[in-house]
Amino acid sequence: EDQVTQSPEALRLQEGESSSLNCSYTVSGLRGLFWYRQDPGKGPEFLFTLYSAGEEKEKERLKATLTKKESFLHITAPKPEDSATYLCAAKGYSTLTFGKGTMLLVSP
Amino acid sequence: IAGITQAPTSQILAAGRRMTLRCTQDMRHNAMYWYRQDLGLGLRLIHYSNTAGTTGKGEVPDGYSVSRANTDDFPLTLASAVPSQTSVYFCASSEAGTSGRPYNEQFFGPGTRLTVL
Repeated sequence: EDQVTQSPEALRLQEGESSSLNCSYTVSGLRGLFWYRQDPGKGPEFLFTLYSAGEEKEKERLKATLTKKESFLHITAPKPEDSATYLCAAKGYSTLTFGKGTMLLVSP
Repeated sequence: IAGITQAPTSQILAAGRRMTLRCTQDMRHNAMYWYRQDLGLGLRLIHYSNTAGTTGKGEVPDGYSVSRANTDDFPLTLASAVPSQTSVYFCASSEAGTSGRPYNEQFFGPGTRLTVL
């Protein structure tokens, strides 16, 4: 059975304090690893797709990386507007499996 | 603005009533999906459609039905609502895969918050 586990469940940072979110996955035949941002009361917003180990993608203060067992979302010098829940999802041979998310709070 | 629209935004429904949640996309994506999101359980797939005229069951299909008469619309119907169907429902869509990119990211609508009493 495909599984995606995100850690930590919640993370509180001070503005400018860099950190990383983890997404560990166990899927048969990874076809893609996806990161989303979800604000309260909104739908998930697509951030990145990673297809193979070693791949990296960047967007503003966010950088996503992928290994054969996990993905990291690195947040450099976060700002309060980066506060949200970050979801990762892995696609194997069957359906897309989502993790339960990491709730990030960035304090000014 | 291109994207996915869902209606209604929220709804309170008596148990036993029939309800259809609407979803429309204007991105001409082949594939569409319905998820429910519950606290502590994350996003779970209810039904999906890889192309117009076809549908499939996801992880939690019981009590729900879908149809895909055309590319743009993918309604979700609760035939006889029960309190355990209280949730936030998200519709999503994605482009068909290619040999170079076998699977593409999904884009989500704003959601429908449904309460069944």
